[in-house]
Amino acid sequence: DTAVSQTPKYLVTQMGNDKSIKCEQNLGHDTMYWYKQDSKKFLKIMFSYNNKELIINETVPNRFSPKSPDKAHLNLHINSLELGDSAVYFCASSSRWDQPQHFGDGTRLSIL
Amino acid sequence: QQPVQSPQAVILREGEDAVINCSSSKALYSVHWYRQKHGEAPIFLMILLKGGEQKGHDKISASFNEKKQQSSLYLTASQLSYSGTYFCGTDYGSSNTGKLIFGQGTTLQVKP
Repeated sequence: DTAVSQTPKYLVTQMGNDKSIKCEQNLGHDTMYWYKQDSKKFLKIMFSYNNKELIINETVPNRFSPKSPDKAHLNLHINSLELGDSAVYFCASSSRWDQPQHFGDGTRLSIL
Repeated sequence: QQPVQSPQAVILREGEDAVINCSSSKALYSVHWYRQKHGEAPIFLMILLKGGEQKGHDKISASFNEKKQQSSLYLTASQLSYSGTYFCGTDYGSSNTGKLIFGQGTTLQVKP
């Protein structure tokens, strides 16, 4: 039973395309997050939702749009992909804002 | 605002001990510690809360010095499975959102 699952695991696409990454958690957690990890392994928060409400929105290009249809799902849509978007994107969840975060396996996005 | 971890890398023999430090320039509400193996998700190890409450892994310990704005992770009698990159994530507690700012990581390699 995967606690936090992301799809797809790998995403290879061309510049200018639009793509989505899906995330689902079966832990019953209220809070979900999106992180970006670059080639130097720097892990940076992008967004967070608590019970479908956006609570963290870091300085991220507006080409990135998160959507939370319910508290178990947090999807990430990216428009007009650029070379600099190449990274590993991790979804995470926690029961509360001050509790441990559980990460998905990541989506490796490569822009050609 | 990003916490600074030291050392950047360490190589150990099995059974040796290691200490990884995480220093902040701002007062901390909590510090989270995660380990990430190559190509995998970060895994939660430990959370240290302001006021001294500690939660986490039973084979790894950590300290939180609020005055020094620093946390240290102690790995004793290291095992091969301890190899990976260790990240501290700092929560400054100003927004109650669970926003973690991660350090640059410390790569630990345990050799037989």
